[in-house]
Amino acid sequence: DSGVTQTPKHLITATGQRVTLRCSPRSGDLSVYWYQQSLDQGLQFLIQYYNGEERAKGNILERFSAQQFPDLHSELNLSSLELGDSALYFCASSVRTSGGAELFFGEGSRLTVL
Amino acid sequence: AQSVTQLDSQVPVFEEAPVELRCNYSSSVSVYLFWYVQYPNQGLQLLLKYLSGSTLVESINGFEAEFNKSQTSFHLRKPSVHISDTAEYFCAVREVGAGGTSYGKLTFGQGTILTVHP
Repeated sequence: DSGVTQTPKHLITATGQRVTLRCSPRSGDLSVYWYQQSLDQGLQFLIQYYNGEERAKGNILERFSAQQFPDLHSELNLSSLELGDSALYFCASSVRTSGGAELFFGEGSRLTVL
Repeated sequence: AQSVTQLDSQVPVFEEAPVELRCNYSSSVSVYLFWYVQYPNQGLQLLLKYLSGSTLVESINGFEAEFNKSQTSFHLRKPSVHISDTAEYFCAVREVGAGGTSYGKLTFGQGTILTVHP
């Protein structure tokens, strides 16, 4: 158990819909990362937050948005869903963003868009 | 921007045989290097990391990786694999910014599926 909690574990929805994925980081971790894992794209970095502020942005679509709340949990919002958005979405957390800080990953939220 | 290339998408081996999973990276600045492992239906877990100092780093379960700056490689090796090592392995890189402050973004390779057969 990494200490990172993601909900829901599985989600099936239709094209055009909107979903919210939630992540609770490990106790004491200030930084949250979101990754998308798919068979064709591999593990893609989406976005990173540190103590409520956005710190780095990767290949995140404009239809996607995220935020980190004062209690440090984070939400990833996916809207106008397309079939290609079907993937496993991972949240990870770390105590800091510098150096060799280890990322602790949750078990992921599997999104299926029909 | 940094990038990571894992040269083999799948590596099948027999139990107790040695294995090497290859990883090359590209970056214009100094980097930190990591190997993560993903067991079926689980998230990724850190296996080992190179930050500085000795170029050979080891994990608690017998894996080792060697940082080769001239070849920009960080290959993962194990002299004798077990069935339980079957998993997907990801090489990752994080750039070191000015003054030693990392920007935080961890870039992963495409992954190598290691399958250990009895």
